[in-house]
Amino acid sequence: DAGVTQSPTHLIKTRGQQVTLRCSPKSGHDTVSWYQQALGQGPQFIFQYYEEEERQRGNFPDRFSGHQFPNYSSELNVNALLLGDSALYLCASSSGTIQQYFGPGTRLTVT
Amino acid sequence: AQKVTQAQTEISVVEKEDVTLDCVYETRDTTYYLFWYKQPPSGELVFLIRRNSFDEQNEISGRYSWNFQKSTSSFNFTITASQVVDSAVYFCALRVQGAQKLVFGQGTRLTINP
Repeated sequence: DAGVTQSPTHLIKTRGQQVTLRCSPKSGHDTVSWYQQALGQGPQFIFQYYEEEERQRGNFPDRFSGHQFPNYSSELNVNALLLGDSALYLCASSSGTIQQYFGPGTRLTVT
Repeated sequence: AQKVTQAQTEISVVEKEDVTLDCVYETRDTTYYLFWYKQPPSGELVFLIRRNSFDEQNEISGRYSWNFQKSTSSFNFTITASQVVDSAVYFCALRVQGAQKLVFGQGTRLTINP
């Protein structure tokens, strides 16, 4: 049973560019949440997708957007990248339960 | 608003010592859930335990134990007879009823020296 998978593992982008990160939830899960973890900090909630709709959003600007596909996989898009967007981006999946299962993350470096 | 505080930024002990990681939380909600996660260098958050606000029973799982005290809003984690493999960053997190997000503390970096 595959767990949560994320791609790519690492990514280097230039300030001002746009990036797309991908997440496949654990088998049987229909809900995907995204978190940003800056170096030395705890993860911060970006948003959650359920039934292809954004269900809840954290305190992140509109440059951060997402999408969920019919197969429950999800994308996180970040536009107009800033140096401060450099972080580990974690995806978590769940299904009608309180427990969220996390993927290995995508480490984004903005230069 | 909810908040989780892990006052210990870094802890370093020698193998086989016992170590306790502190977690204090803030919420006005009466129904909530508390979690501990382990983050090894690979980056993936590994779930360790979940506690419901209405269940203050402490729990022991092998070398791990958790002490939940609503009176002091604390949910502390103890590792007994620590091992080098326990070295990681540990996060305490809070989720309130009806909300989807986890609110994490800043994490405690635990180093177990041989």
